[in-house]
Amino acid sequence: NAGVTQTPKFQVLKTGQSMTLQCAQDMNHNSMYWYRQDPGMGLRLIYYSASEGTTDKGEVPNGYNVSRLNKREFSLRLESAAPSQTSVYFCASSETDLRGEQFFGPGTRLTVL
Amino acid sequence: KQEVTQIPAALSVPEGENLVLNCSFTDSAIYNLQWFRQDPGKGLTSLLLIQSSQREQTSGRLNASLDKSSGRSTLYIAASQPGDSATYLCATTSGTYKYIFGTGTRLKVLA
Repeated sequence: NAGVTQTPKFQVLKTGQSMTLQCAQDMNHNSMYWYRQDPGMGLRLIYYSASEGTTDKGEVPNGYNVSRLNKREFSLRLESAAPSQTSVYFCASSETDLRGEQFFGPGTRLTVL
Repeated sequence: KQEVTQIPAALSVPEGENLVLNCSFTDSAIYNLQWFRQDPGKGLTSLLLIQSSQREQTSGRLNASLDKSSGRSTLYIAASQPGDSATYLCATTSGTYKYIFGTGTRLKVLA
């Protein structure tokens, strides 16, 4: 089992460019999450998907969109990147809701110039 | 609103020492509390998950306790080793689908 995988590992964008971060899990988990991690601020939830076909906003959703493509895949899209979106992005999954253990991917380090 | 605090932010100890990392939270209505380890430039690795009905969990040299009434959890590491050097994060729930993370304790174990 690969667990939670993310692509790409690193990305540099110019302000205004768009991109999609990909996440997949092979643990048959129902719930998936996108977080960003910034120095001194810890991890903050951007969006989550409680089950296939549903998505909802987390703490910092502005500037992002998500798609739960199927049970395995949950993508995060930046439509018009801004320097404030420079961060490390983590995808996570859990079997059900938050009563279950969360498993994290290796992260995507994004720099917006 | 749930807030999670970890003190101290950084800690250096000599190899072999037993140590305790602290995690405090403001809202005791939680489903569980999870401890993670993060190595530099890497993702988070789950260490221990304590359900709200439990008081502690153990895995090898690690023991995590939970006291909901006082809003505290501790991670006890026995006989620390240089390989334990990492940032340790705790996270607990806020509502049904949200985890709130502390900012972590950066641990350095000196050989």
